Amino acid sequence: NAGVTQTPKFQVLKTGQSMTLQCAQDMNHEYMSWYRQDPGMGLRLIHYSVGAGITDQGEVPNGYNVSRSTTEDFPLRLLSAAPSQTSVYFCASSYEAGGEKLFFGSGTQLSVL
Amino acid sequence: DAKTTQPTSMDCAEGRAANLPCNHSTISGNEYVYWYRQIHSQGPQYIIHGLKNNETNEMASLIITEDRKSSTLILPHATLRDTAVYYCIVRVANSGGSNYKLTFGKGTLLTVNP
Repeated sequence: NAGVTQTPKFQVLKTGQSMTLQCAQDMNHEYMSWYRQDPGMGLRLIHYSVGAGITDQGEVPNGYNVSRSTTEDFPLRLLSAAPSQTSVYFCASSYEAGGEKLFFGSGTQLSVL
Repeated sequence: DAKTTQPTSMDCAEGRAANLPCNHSTISGNEYVYWYRQIHSQGPQYIIHGLKNNETNEMASLIITEDRKSSTLILPHATLRDTAVYYCIVRVANSGGSNYKLTFGKGTLLTVNP
């Protein structure tokens, strides 16, 4: 099994550009989520989904959109990138919402100039 | 979720046991203790979790005090590959509502030295 796969691994954007960070899991997990990690800030939850067609906001949702059309995929969209969105982004999944074991992807390092 | 306190950093000699403490004095009766670690440039990795009994798996052991106000993660024979940031997290397990997120603090940087 591949587990949780994130693409791309690295990305550089200019302010105002849009892009989508991809996340896919092959474990048939119901719950998926996106975190961002900034130096000295720990991981902060951006958005999460408890199943296909259901999404909700986390701690820091502004500037990000998500959708969950299939169980496997949970893309994160930046509509108009800002320098404050420079960060490392992690996607995670678990068998069920509230499940104790989260599986994380390897991360996407995003720089917005 | 209850707040946790961990040392900022610790050192351990390769082959020795690494004992990582965590204080969670405001833990509630239905809150579990989770441990994750993050090796540099990788995503966090689940290690172990427990409620009140000691737990052991292939990666580590978790010792929770009787009053549940603190716990210790034990890596029995640390290797260089165990160098990572270790996060202690307290939260309610298998709950609905808004308790879906894990709150990661700053963790403990464990450095295993040869």
